Amino acid sequence: NAGVTQTPKFQVLKTGQSMTLQCAQDMNHEYMSWYRQDPGMGLRLIHYSVGAGITDQGEVPNGYNVSRSTTEDFPLRLLSAAPSQTSVYFCASSASGAFEAFFGQGTRLTVV
Amino acid sequence: AQSVTQPDIHITVSEGASLELRCNYSYGATPYLFWYVQSPGQGLQLLLKYFSGDTLVQGIKGFEAEFKRSQSSFNLRKPSVHWSDAAEYFCAVGARTSYDKVIFGPGTSLSVIP
Repeated sequence: NAGVTQTPKFQVLKTGQSMTLQCAQDMNHEYMSWYRQDPGMGLRLIHYSVGAGITDQGEVPNGYNVSRSTTEDFPLRLLSAAPSQTSVYFCASSASGAFEAFFGQGTRLTVV
Repeated sequence: AQSVTQPDIHITVSEGASLELRCNYSYGATPYLFWYVQSPGQGLQLLLKYFSGDTLVQGIKGFEAEFKRSQSSFNLRKPSVHWSDAAEYFCAVGARTSYDKVIFGPGTSLSVIP
């Protein structure tokens, strides 16, 4: 049982580059979300989805896009990377909204 | 607006000693409350949750937490800490009327001295 799988684990980008962080879950959860984790700030919600074809913004959505074409996958796209997006990104899924979430192992992104 | 504070940024305890991590929240009604643990290099794992009922809740790995409405607190406790408990601990609050978001506290880093 893989749970929530994120790829890549580490990534270095140059300012202005774009990339997609992948997230897949095999638990048939309707709810999926993306957080960023910065020192002293806990986790902040970027975007979330309550089911295939439905996405919504969280607390810090600027500079990020998401889509949800299948129940399993919820990719996060950085359109034009900025140093302020240097962070650790976590994908999560849940059968009960944002509650009792299962988290991936994270992607450590550095933008230089 | 909801908010969560964890007053202690970092705590160090000796192995075998008891542990209490503090969490205070701000919310207009009774919230849903959670504690998560993050081991180094890993994602977050749910330790325990409070939805309603008994205000003392038991979780995994020997942890428990007590909801105190009068103090707006949800402190995490463990009677005897093991070296493997060294990790980052996050308190989180959710709204009963909004199942699609939770707010996380800033976290408390726990170090355990052998």
